[in-house]
Order: sequence, then structure tokens, then C-alpha cells
Amino acid sequence: DIQMTQSPSSLPASLGDRVTITCRASQDIGNYLRWFQQKPGKSPRLMIYGATNLAAGVPSRFSGSRSGSDYSLTINSLESEDMAIYYCLQHNEYPYTFGAGTKLELK
Amino acid sequence: QVQLQQSGAELAKPGSSVKISCKASGYTFTSYYISWIKQTTGQGLEYIGYINTGSGGTNYNEKFKGKATLTVDKSSSTAFMQLSSLTPDDSAVYYCARLGARDYWGQGVMVTVSS
Repeated sequence: DIQMTQSPSSLPASLGDRVTITCRASQDIGNYLRWFQQKPGKSPRLMIYGATNLAAGVPSRFSGSRSGSDYSLTINSLESEDMAIYYCLQHNEYPYTFGAGTKLELK
Repeated sequence: QVQLQQSGAELAKPGSSVKISCKASGYTFTSYYISWIKQTTGQGLEYIGYINTGSGGTNYNEKFKGKATLTVDKSSSTAFMQLSSLTPDDSAVYYCARLGARDYWGQGVMVTVSS
């Protein structure tokens, strides 16, 4: 199975900060990478698909990028509503696999 | 609007089975696969597999073969997942999802396995 190594596991940040979360794929996954946001008691919400494409309704302060096997989610000018857990998902090869998650919290 | 409505929470005894449902609405059911995902505090999110809602064909994560059985009822636009031989490790929230350019997820079903 493809391993998705996500870092950091926890990310304390302040409102207005720019933060970056990264997932490294153990094998080539092309751009078959999604980012999800999950808040307590809620289902995951798609934020980025195709590694760099903003999902419908997602604020433009969110962006995705790729450098080789490293995929990043960046949030510019952090807002309180962005505090959540973020997961990456590779869907290039079955079984699809998720990163372990990054908990974004207020410093 | 697209919705995936899952059945309610389950409390089951070790060794038993549960069958949870995922009723789709707002789109042509047989045009999209339904995926199933397990979420636990310890293991995070795990992909169980998917079902081709048109043909009934399935693809399982090896880890869940023999544990999960995916089926559909096209007449009611409902997908099902049966979990068998339950152990406490099966206690989790289980989601159904339609993954695509726009994702849609069910609200999740909490399954608790306890004697």
C-alpha cells in the first residue's frame, strides 16, 4: 500500500498566520491527492483535489501545491474557522490511503 | 441536492454482525461508486473499499476482506456495508462517501462493539 507521511501532527498557530501542512507519498501518485478538513463531530470536507485545485466553496486563502512526492496544503491568513484536523488522501492506487492528520490549533 | 443519509448508531456484541446503510438522493445513484471509510481515534481514516453501484462489483482493501461486505439495492438507491465477526477493534465511525470532483459524505455511523 502507498504510505502517506503527513507532518506535522500538531500545528499551533495564531490568527493571521500562514501555515503549511505536508504529505509525502511513498510511491508516485501523480496529482491524485486530496486534502480534507474535519471538525469535531463532522464528516470530512473536501478542500483541495488534484493536488492543486480548490474545491467548490472553499475560501481562496487555501491552496495546494506539489514538489516531487511532497504535497502541501497552505492556508494564508489563518482564521478561527480554520481550526480543525486536516488529512491528505491519495487516490491514485487502491487501497486509497490517508495521512495521519494534522491538528491545527490556536497558539 | 446530493445527500447521503446513513443509518443510526449501532451497539453490538463481540462476534455478532451489523449492517449499516447509506441512502443516496439528489443524483442518479448508479452513476457513481460509493466508498466506505473507517475512522478511529487510534488509526485515523482507513479506506475500506468501494462498490460499483451499477454493476455491484466491489473492490476491498485487503485489510477488510472478510470483515466488510458491500452491497447495493438499486431500487432504493441505498448502499449497505455489513461488518461481521465484530471485535472491539471494529468500534469506529463508518462513513459512506461519493468521491469525485465534488465529494459527498454521509454523516457517519458510530459502531460500538462491547459485551
